Amino acid sequence: DAGITQSPRHKVTETGTPVTLRCHQTENHRYMYWYRQDPGHGLRLIHYSYGVKDTDKGEVSDGYSVSRSKTEDFLLTLESATSSQTSVYFCAIRQNPRNNEQFFGPGTRLTVL
Amino acid sequence: AQTVTQSQPEMSVQEAETVTLSCTYDTSESDYYLFWYKQPPSRQMILVIRQEAYKQQNATENRFSVNFQKAAKSFSLKISDSQLGDAAMYFCAYRSPYGQGAQKLVFGQGTRLTINP
Repeated sequence: DAGITQSPRHKVTETGTPVTLRCHQTENHRYMYWYRQDPGHGLRLIHYSYGVKDTDKGEVSDGYSVSRSKTEDFLLTLESATSSQTSVYFCAIRQNPRNNEQFFGPGTRLTVL
Repeated sequence: AQTVTQSQPEMSVQEAETVTLSCTYDTSESDYYLFWYKQPPSRQMILVIRQEAYKQQNATENRFSVNFQKAAKSFSLKISDSQLGDAAMYFCAYRSPYGQGAQKLVFGQGTRLTINP
């Protein structure tokens, strides 16, 4: 258990509304990641953070923004949710710096109607 | 860009038997890391095993082992003495050693493994 929690665990929202997902870790890891999981695609990286206020884009970053004001929290925001953003969202931390071994949170299922 | 392919969307095996899940990848890099993750119905992603490309020896973790064929760019997972608790979605993943690619795992599409009692 890498001490990662995600909130909320489930959310249903409507198209056009803003949504923020929270990832919280208790072990002071520097690197944190947001992925989305869709059928037929496995997991794909949205954004990642390498320190407080230090973030960078992943391969599917359009429509998403992130913030990290504290080491323990990494927020993912959908400014105006669309149905294509219906997915399961996973947060991860990098526990082993040498091989980028990542440990994942429990996931958040987001449905955009 | 690196890609990872799992060509078996679904597999099934009898309890106590052995099953092998396939994974191939495409890369021009000579050094990298490979992983297998398990995702049971709880949805939690669990690291099963890892392999460093510079190591000749295949990784083993209890009943889980890999067959790493670097020249063929193949990284299969063998599960011996299959147990009901092994039923899950299995994902193969690749990580570059350097640069921005080092910050992400590239996942395959997954293989759903069913264990028949």
